[in-house]
Amino acid sequence: DAKTTQPPSMDCAEGRAANLPCNHSTISGNEYVYWYRQIHSQGPQYIIHGLKNNETNEMASLIITEDRKSSTLILPHATLRDTAVYYCIVRVVGGANNLFFGTGTRLTVIP
Amino acid sequence: NAGVTQTPKFQVLKTGQSMTLQCAQDMNHEYMSWYRQDPGMGLRLIHYSVGAGITDQGEVPNGYNVSRSTTEDFPLRLLSAAPSQTSVYFCASSYSRGREAQETQYFGPGTRLLVL
Repeated sequence: DAKTTQPPSMDCAEGRAANLPCNHSTISGNEYVYWYRQIHSQGPQYIIHGLKNNETNEMASLIITEDRKSSTLILPHATLRDTAVYYCIVRVVGGANNLFFGTGTRLTVIP
Repeated sequence: NAGVTQTPKFQVLKTGQSMTLQCAQDMNHEYMSWYRQDPGMGLRLIHYSVGAGITDQGEVPNGYNVSRSTTEDFPLRLLSAAPSQTSVYFCASSYSRGREAQETQYFGPGTRLLVL
């Protein structure tokens, strides 16, 4: 599985959009981009995933560049409850469902 | 559904003691896995299972044993605890449909283990 690079920390004002970048320049054609988050030492929580098209669900939007070497997770209206560590993971389709976590981005939403 | 449950929530062991961390899921997921998370770090995969009777090693398997006798349960055994195994342990599960294994994983609340 390809490795990812994320900034260690970011701040965002409450109510504003939080844009979390992820670099995955060595991603293969059969690897998906996944985003999970971990709130205060709880178990990680799935947010969204995509292959090459932009995706949106009730939690967030995922924007993947055309060359697929980077992506951005967008929380459209950040709240204090969105303060968490956000993990960007790339994983191959098929085989075991293993997720390889890095150290993620610690997002702090400021009142 | 209760989702993924883990017991105990907290545990203190002395070096050399053995124990089993329990993990159960009621979603009929084929795939289950164990991760550990050390302070300030991401999760690292210990062992995983793609179905009852099938287990395999992850990134950091040494010092841990697993078995999968039922779809619902996936216990993690520490045979002789060491201080280096002090960590938070997370269990996860997901569907696995053969080669189209892209389903999301559901994590339990974690077990915090301290080995003295």
